[in-house]
Amino acid sequence: EAQVTQNPRYLITVTGKKLTVTCSQNMNHEYMSWYRQDPGLGLRQIYYSMNVEVTDKGDVPEGYKVSRKEKRNFPLILESPSPNQTSLYFCASSPAVRSYNEQFFGPGTRLTVL
Amino acid sequence: RKEVEQDPGPFNVPEGATVAFNCTYSNSASQSFFWYRQDCRKEPKLLMSVYSSGNEDGRFTAQLNRASQYISLLIRDSKLSDSATYLCVVTTDSWGKLQFGAGTQVVVTP
Repeated sequence: EAQVTQNPRYLITVTGKKLTVTCSQNMNHEYMSWYRQDPGLGLRQIYYSMNVEVTDKGDVPEGYKVSRKEKRNFPLILESPSPNQTSLYFCASSPAVRSYNEQFFGPGTRLTVL
Repeated sequence: RKEVEQDPGPFNVPEGATVAFNCTYSNSASQSFFWYRQDCRKEPKLLMSVYSSGNEDGRFTAQLNRASQYISLLIRDSKLSDSATYLCVVTTDSWGKLQFGAGTQVVVTP
């Protein structure tokens, strides 16, 4: 089944404790992206990647890191999480670099930072 | 000012009625436009792309007005299953940056 998976789905952590949210797609998509969704603000793009070893900042990259060592995986790293990073996170992938392609989203990761 | 703005609603719509709502964007260089549907904090899913000439997909009609910088979505013969949040998405370049609106909530009532 073609899909985007994220792990974990739910995470409660404490300030400063490094964490990684994994994202994997099995559709051989070139483009992958991370978003956070907060009430009243909609989805905001954190980082995106147009292909292996190519990443770029979205609108809210501060406090996050990403890597794209393989085509299928695009982990999101929070080196020192803070309470303002409490949010619902979505990973998405798309067939090609052109942003007019459909984005396929993962199921989301609900993160709480205490 | 946000780059993409939507009326958050909710739009309460009787079953079978028509509902329409807009999304405005601030960047005149925006290139591609989409409507996504999101159910109760689940992942967004593409509803339809919006083409310059307007387009229809069953009961859904999308329009683009470049002069006034807005896109619209019209839902005819609303079903209970149409209850969701509708997200407007705009791309300002071809290389990966997308802007999402905060969403318009539609509630279809029996």
